Amino acid sequence: QVQLQQSGPGLVKPSQTLSLTCAISGDSVSSNIAAWNWIRQSPSRGLEWLGRTYSRSKWYNDYATSVRSRITISPDTSKNQLSLQLNSVTPEDTAVYYCAREVIMTQAFDIWGQGTMVTVSS
Amino acid sequence: QSVLTQPPSASGTPGQRVTISCSGSSSNIGNNYVSWFQQFPGTAPKLLIYTNTQRPSGVPDRFSGSKSGSSASLAISGLRSEDEADYYCATWDDSLSGPVFGGGTKLTVL
Repeated sequence: QVQLQQSGPGLVKPSQTLSLTCAISGDSVSSNIAAWNWIRQSPSRGLEWLGRTYSRSKWYNDYATSVRSRITISPDTSKNQLSLQLNSVTPEDTAVYYCAREVIMTQAFDIWGQGTMVTVSS
Repeated sequence: QSVLTQPPSASGTPGQRVTISCSGSSSNIGNNYVSWFQQFPGTAPKLLIYTNTQRPSGVPDRFSGSKSGSSASLAISGLRSEDEADYYCATWDDSLSGPVFGGGTKLTVL
């Protein structure tokens, strides 16, 4: 079955870069019927979609307006994983971060990673 | 403030049927598929309903979804204590060009 395994630091200093990785098993980051998303959840902002990457003969990225100037989502086909980089973080970026598979035809997030609690603090 | 509006709480007794609403607009629910998620504390959301009414394999048929215009609902029949969780709706928003979520409904089984 498809599984997503997240990794990355749980503490990031303000103004630095948050970096997380999501390793995919049972599917391919290059799948042409899926997209690979990052979503975060905090008490103040609820569930918030950050962006996605997907392959349709070439790679595409979509990002939420709220983080577009600070975010990069990248696929790594050699390791079958995707990564998230969020620059210039502030305490407002403190949240649980999830990667999730989206099956394009259904617009549904059907597989989620286990979540990574990231705290932005000095 | 979430784009999709859900009641913050709902409750029912074992065996009852409860419904949770999700209100949006023509740019989101009105023109796109709705999905529903169940989340227990400390765990990732789990997909319950997709494309408005479909259940993934393994989800009991006690859970059902519906959509009418710019609103959607999740119904849980034969309520059980293990259904006590947070429930979220989600859909694509054409104006925002991305997925949006409801604020969540905390279901209590009395």
